Amino acid sequence: QSVLTQPPSVSGAPGQRVTISCTGRSSNIGAGYEVHWYQQLPGTAPKLLIYDNSYRPSGIPDRFSGSKSGTSASLAIAGLQAEDEADYYCQSYDSSLSAVVFGGGTKLTVL
Amino acid sequence: QVQLVESGGGVVQPGRSLRLSCAASGFTFSTYGMHWVRQAPGKGLEWVALISYHGNNEYYADSVKGRFTISRDNSKNTLYLQMNSLRTEDTAVYYCAKERSSGWHHPSRSYGMDVWGQGTTLTVSS
Repeated sequence: QSVLTQPPSVSGAPGQRVTISCTGRSSNIGAGYEVHWYQQLPGTAPKLLIYDNSYRPSGIPDRFSGSKSGTSASLAIAGLQAEDEADYYCQSYDSSLSAVVFGGGTKLTVL
Repeated sequence: QVQLVESGGGVVQPGRSLRLSCAASGFTFSTYGMHWVRQAPGKGLEWVALISYHGNNEYYADSVKGRFTISRDNSKNTLYLQMNSLRTEDTAVYYCAKERSSGWHHPSRSYGMDVWGQGTTLTVSS
């Protein structure tokens, strides 16, 4: 059971917009620690999608965006494409655990 | 190009030891903190350990503290994970990953992991 809670699954049709939430608490996201997002395509290593809550690394399309407020963060994917079907993970730090922590992951299905 | 290549995985019995390696290329390895992250079959990502760029600071998840040791040889551009007293629950794909920003950072100020290896598989079974 991760201290960062993500919905197990989300889905959307091509072209639609979906959001994935990452809910934490006062010892992690609520304490001001940065949130990062990763995309893991089937059978591959994770890939950094968003860093420091809302910044995209070079090469990541602007269809992907991140935000943070209070004890939660969100990843939004606009203009869904078939190749977006993957698992998505949030990452932060938890001061109670003194550890880097990942969310449990969310499987995105493109209908 | 920037690349990380893990090796050393395999099948081991509970209680035994194994050392994983991660060979880095395409960037100045000695200036970046490095992580190990694992993923059990069908499960999510679990952070394992972080080592500072100079190797003087190590941080571990509670689940591996006292059993695993992260280290690095900057002269060989290689990261290691020594795993002792292995348990069945250590079965996973192990990834090494590079911190996005150079220099020393406490893990509370991770800048994200921007380069990942392809992973090496460890199976702990009798």
